[in-house]
Amino acid sequence: DAGVIQSPRHEVTEMGQEVTLRCKPISGHNSLFWYRQTMMRGLELLIYFNNNVPIDDSGMPEDRFSAKMPNASFSTLKIQPSEPRDSAVYFCASNEWDTNTEAFFGQGTRLTVV
Amino acid sequence: GESVGLHLPTLSVQEGDNSIINCAYSNSASDYFIWYKQESGKGPQFIIDIRSNMDKRQGQRVTVLLNKTVKHLSLQIAATQPGDSAVYFCAVFYQKVTFGTGTKLQVIP
Repeated sequence: DAGVIQSPRHEVTEMGQEVTLRCKPISGHNSLFWYRQTMMRGLELLIYFNNNVPIDDSGMPEDRFSAKMPNASFSTLKIQPSEPRDSAVYFCASNEWDTNTEAFFGQGTRLTVV
Repeated sequence: GESVGLHLPTLSVQEGDNSIINCAYSNSASDYFIWYKQESGKGPQFIIDIRSNMDKRQGQRVTVLLNKTVKHLSLQIAATQPGDSAVYFCAVFYQKVTFGTGTKLQVIP
C-alpha cells in the first residue's frame, strides 16, 4: 500500500481564494482524521470521520472550514475564503477504528495564504 | 476534553546517551497511547504504542512506560543516534486522539 496520500504537497494562494486539500486514506481503514500543524499550536485535530460519517468536527476553527468524505477512499478539506492565519501544514491520517490502532499519516500539505 | 502536555520543548542529548521524553495526560479513561516521531518536512511516524492494561513495552532501542496513577507517559531511547533527531509527540486515545505539543530532540555528535 502506498500509505495515506495527500495532494497537493504545497499550496500558495491569495487571501480570499478557495483552497481544497485532498486525501486518500489507506485501503481498508475506516477512520480518517484531518489535522492542522503550526508552530504555535502544534498538531490540532480538526475533524474525523468513521465509515465516511463525520463524528467530531469540534476542532474546525470556523465556518470557513468544511470537510467531506464522499466515499471510503477520498476526503477533502476546504477553506473558503482563505486567510493568512490559515497558513499551516495540514495532515490527513487514517486507521482501523474498530481495532483502535495507530493512525498513519500522510506527508501533509503545506498551505501558505498570502 | 483531553489535554496532553509535554514537560520539555527541547531536549539535547549526547550521541550514545539515553534519552527520556515525558508526556502528561489528563483523562484517566484514556486507553491507548502512541509515540510518534516527526522529521522535518514529513508526517508523524509511529514509534511504539502501549495500551492501558500494560505499564511497559519495549521495542528496538525504545521503551514506553505508562504510569496510570499519575497519568504520565515516557519514551526512552537507548544509545541515541543522530538519526533520532526529530520532534517526538505523544498521542492519547479516548474516543479520539489528542497529541501533545511535541518535544524536539537534538542529538549532539
